Amino acid sequence: EAQVTQNPRYLITVTGKKLTVTCSQNMNHEYMSWYRQDPGLGLRQIYYSMNVEVTDKGDVPEGYKVSRKEKRNFPLILESPSPNQTSLYFCASRPGLAGSYEQYFGPGTRLTVT
Amino acid sequence: KQEVTQIPAALSVPEGENLVLNCSFTDSAIYNLQWFRQDPGKGLTSLLLIQSSQREQTSGRLNASLDKSSGRSTLYIAASQPGDSATYLCAVRPVFSTDSWGKFQFGAGTQVVVTP
Repeated sequence: EAQVTQNPRYLITVTGKKLTVTCSQNMNHEYMSWYRQDPGLGLRQIYYSMNVEVTDKGDVPEGYKVSRKEKRNFPLILESPSPNQTSLYFCASRPGLAGSYEQYFGPGTRLTVT
Repeated sequence: KQEVTQIPAALSVPEGENLVLNCSFTDSAIYNLQWFRQDPGKGLTSLLLIQSSQREQTSGRLNASLDKSSGRSTLYIAASQPGDSATYLCAVRPVFSTDSWGKFQFGAGTQVVVTP
């Protein structure tokens, strides 16, 4: 089954404790992206990647890091989480930037930073 | 910078009524626009993708129109059902440029409740 998976689905952590949220897709998509969703603000793009070793900042990259060492994986790293990073996070992928392809989303990771 | 707005933020209709959801954007230089559905606590499901060269796109009871010049898209859901209750989001992909080649802008969504 074609899908985007994220782990963990739920995470409660404390301020300053480094964490990684994994994202994996099995569709051989070039493009992957991370979003956060907050009430009243919709989804805001954090980082995106056009292909392996090619990443760029979205609208809200502060406090986050990403890496793209393999085509299928695009982990989101919070080196020193803070309470304002409490949010619902989504990973998405699509075949490439060219063409009329849709984005496919993972199920989301709900992160709480205390 | 592209701004995407969805009004109203919430909408309640009786079953059987047609739903009309609005999405407006400030920069008409878009590549395409995509409508999504989000159920509580879950991810996003793509409903319709409409290209900048298209005026509308249809799938079953769903119809999305696009008026690029006025910066508007409308999602119509015919004969609404309680199962249509969800949050509906639109997302705009800007035309390729060096600083926007991978960026997508989302609206905040419209929460829909269809009452039996």
